[in-house]
Amino acid sequence: EVQLVQSGAEVKKPGESLKISCQASGYSFTSQWIAWVRHIPGKGLEWMGAIHPGDSDPRYNPSFQGQVTMSVDRSINTAYLQWRSLRASDTAIYYCARQFSGHYFFDYWGLGILVTVSS
Amino acid sequence: DIQMTQSPSTLSASVGDRVTITCRASQSISRWLAWYQQRPGKAPKLLIYETSTLEGGVPSRFSGTGSGTEFTLTITSLQPDDFATYYCQQYHTYVWTFGPGTKVEIK
Repeated sequence: EVQLVQSGAEVKKPGESLKISCQASGYSFTSQWIAWVRHIPGKGLEWMGAIHPGDSDPRYNPSFQGQVTMSVDRSINTAYLQWRSLRASDTAIYYCARQFSGHYFFDYWGLGILVTVSS
Repeated sequence: DIQMTQSPSTLSASVGDRVTITCRASQSISRWLAWYQQRPGKAPKLLIYETSTLEGGVPSRFSGTGSGTEFTLTITSLQPDDFATYYCQQYHTYVWTFGPGTKVEIK
């Protein structure tokens, strides 16, 4: 069974750094892209970018380029999303999702991580 | 980026009703459209891809049609589990974009 298990909720202050995780199981981790999707309630879903675990090749939505960094650790089947300096506007739920092989929609999703950035 | 819109934003319906949600793209996306269902507090769930192909395990009361810029998701007989928010997503043109969602609520 394919599963994407995300780390727990985070509460941070503006300017702090953060790295959240998404551990995959039930399939070959290195064979399919992992995407990150931001959900600000009331504002819908935004595709932030994706990374291919096979070669750690990230592709960023230009709107998020430079704001976040995507990475993977193939030894533990885990993808990461990282911020160097959080802003209040980063407050959102962040989902990881598996991109369906060879396509650009998302067939499995993690449960999401609520990130709250507040002073 | 291709802009996706959905109508209505909220829909009130009863169990057993036939429900239709419309998704429009700002330019043609051929048939490269997916639909997702999100129940409160849960992750989105893929329902349909390539406009009309049901994901495995999705009940046949869900169906999708359309092409180009206009698409519909239909639920033929609404069940209690179907009260949720539905999102469309285009994957024709990079950057992949989602619609703002349609909330189906109990009348």
